[in-house]
Amino acid sequence: EPEVTQTPSHQVTQMGQEVILRCVPISNHLYFYWYRQILGQKVEFLVSFYNNEISEKSEIFDDQFSVERPDGSNFTLKIRSTKLEDSAMYFCASSRGGRAIGGYNSPLHFGNGTRLTVT
Amino acid sequence: DQQVKQNSPSLSVQEGRISILNCDYTNSMFDYFLWYKKYPAEGPTFLISISSIKDKNEDGRFTVFLNKSAKHLSLHIVPSQPGDSAVYFCAATFGSGDAGNQFYFGTGTSLTVIP
Repeated sequence: EPEVTQTPSHQVTQMGQEVILRCVPISNHLYFYWYRQILGQKVEFLVSFYNNEISEKSEIFDDQFSVERPDGSNFTLKIRSTKLEDSAMYFCASSRGGRAIGGYNSPLHFGNGTRLTVT
Repeated sequence: DQQVKQNSPSLSVQEGRISILNCDYTNSMFDYFLWYKKYPAEGPTFLISISSIKDKNEDGRFTVFLNKSAKHLSLHIVPSQPGDSAVYFCAATFGSGDAGNQFYFGTGTSLTVIP
């Protein structure tokens, strides 16, 4: 079964440094997402991406964050200057479409996440 | 802004019995609801979903019930198995044409199935 893959599985960085988290979504999916989960808290939406542009973003996704689909397979999340509070599990997800055949949404399929630790 | 709530952080059930996980939501615009299962060190895995035009959807041992008037959904697992032990997240979203829809997640319920 196709799956979403994320690299690296764990990233440690110093405060103020830039990090890039990488994701390879499922190949025939059109919608891409980043979510994060701070330890012990809920899974929080960061951004969705479709047709090479951001569809929706949350308040968390400020100017320090950016996303890119540099080629036909990768989807990246960049944090320009990391803060201690950026430490979290970052999950990439993809879906077939906003409205699948039959009028129902298609579910998100998640990768196994990148644990980002900012020291 | 907690639009999807799971008020029980944990649940323990004996193997073979029914597990019932509950979820409440506040946004009446939500029209698609999902349950995800998450094991440690893995991403959430899609389990089952339901559209707002239905009140029940069944897939093997898993059944999701939707009560729109109460803004409540539940996941029933029958019979429960030790391998079902995981954190279960409820999620919801609403249509926005062709754009990517934000999915709102609850805080999760940790289910332990006791052999």
